[in-house]
Amino acid sequence: QVQLVQSGAEVKKPGASVNVSCKASGYAFSAFYMHWVRQAPGQGLEWMGMITPSGDRPTYAQKFQGRVSMTSDTSTGTVSLEVSSLRYDDTAVYYCAREKGGLVTFDYWGQGTLVIVSS
Amino acid sequence: DIQMTQSPSSLSASVGDRVTITCRASQGISNYLAWYQQKPGRVPKLLIYGASTLQSGVPSRFSGRGSGTDFTLTISSLQPEDVATYYCQKYSGAPFTFGPGTKVDIK
Repeated sequence: QVQLVQSGAEVKKPGASVNVSCKASGYAFSAFYMHWVRQAPGQGLEWMGMITPSGDRPTYAQKFQGRVSMTSDTSTGTVSLEVSSLRYDDTAVYYCAREKGGLVTFDYWGQGTLVIVSS
Repeated sequence: DIQMTQSPSSLSASVGDRVTITCRASQGISNYLAWYQQKPGRVPKLLIYGASTLQSGVPSRFSGRGSGTDFTLTISSLQPEDVATYYCQKYSGAPFTFGPGTKVDIK
């Protein structure tokens, strides 16, 4: 069965960087784009960007350009998200989500990774 | 960028009631609209895509309609397990924006 397993919770100081990984299994990794969505505490869902399986064409939401980087490793079936220059309002649960076969909707989600930015 | 709005922001209804949530796009998005359900403390779940196509395994009491700028999600007979926040999402082009959500609970 399809599984997206994310790395564990992180606590970071303002200005630091965080790396969140998402390991996919149970399907042909190279056939599906992956997206990152975040959710601040008590807030809604925010699309951050997407990565092709080969990793050659990341697309970032304008809000995050210059501060996020998404990569993909087909040898391990893992995508990663790095957020730099962390601010307090980056405190959120970060989800990876698989794109549903050519439709930019998300049919499988990781369990979420809580990132807390605190001094 | 196209903005997504939802109404109401929250609602309370009785078991068995028909519930309708509205999602509006600031510009036409054809039928590139999806709906998600997020139960408290859980991961979002895809309910509907293409404005009206039910994702596999989703109960038939959920339905979606609309095209262009105005869309609805209807629960024909509200069940206790439907307590959740519902989000619409546009996918006509990046950014793939979500609506602010509608919280549904039982009266």
